Amino acid sequence: QSALTQPPSASGSPGQSVTISCTGSSSDVGGYNYVSWYQQHPGKAPKLMIYEVNKRPSGVPDRFSGSKSGNTASLTVSGLQAEDEADYYCSSYAGNTNYVFGTGTKITVL
Amino acid sequence: QVQLVESGGGLVKPGGSLRLSCVASGFTFSDYYMSWIRQAPGEGLEWVSYISSSGSNAYYADSVKGRFTISRDNAKNSLYLQMNSLRAEDTAVYYCARHAHVAFDNWGQGTLVTVSS
Repeated sequence: QSALTQPPSASGSPGQSVTISCTGSSSDVGGYNYVSWYQQHPGKAPKLMIYEVNKRPSGVPDRFSGSKSGNTASLTVSGLQAEDEADYYCSSYAGNTNYVFGTGTKITVL
Repeated sequence: QVQLVESGGGLVKPGGSLRLSCVASGFTFSDYYMSWIRQAPGEGLEWVSYISSSGSNAYYADSVKGRFTISRDNAKNSLYLQMNSLRAEDTAVYYCARHAHVAFDNWGQGTLVTVSS
């Protein structure tokens, strides 16, 4: 199972929006509405930000939103804040009891 | 609150074995599927294995199939990963994580496994 493809980096100024993509195939992203997104600060464990494509766990700001079109999922962070600077990983159920993660994107707040 | 605490990591020679543990608290452990997920130094996340809530079903990534065994003891609120025939490419921080909504909603702080001679 190959990793999902994400851009290595993205950036934006405070208050702006940034969108990162996560491209897979019909066997994973395109085949199931089970895409999730994780935020990871340096030296810390990942934190779930979005599940089932566009749902937010309790406590996650509504500045974070998710969507999907075909084999590509996207995470948008609106109203960027300094604390949003982190690595972000997408993940998808890939059938046959497998999960796959994305390659990761570092968001920099300028 | 939900807490997951891993232990058991360390330095091991290629071909060696190691057993990781994860102790859960703050939720009914026996109600949830659980996973092990790893992250090699400076790299991305890789799902390794997951186990059903009862422990009757276990699934593995191809990269560890036949070498790693996941198990759990619901009476002890504990998750385990027995790792045999370790290779240099198994070097990583290993996280245990709770499943919810076909995602991983809570993670431990991780335990580092280094495979080197």
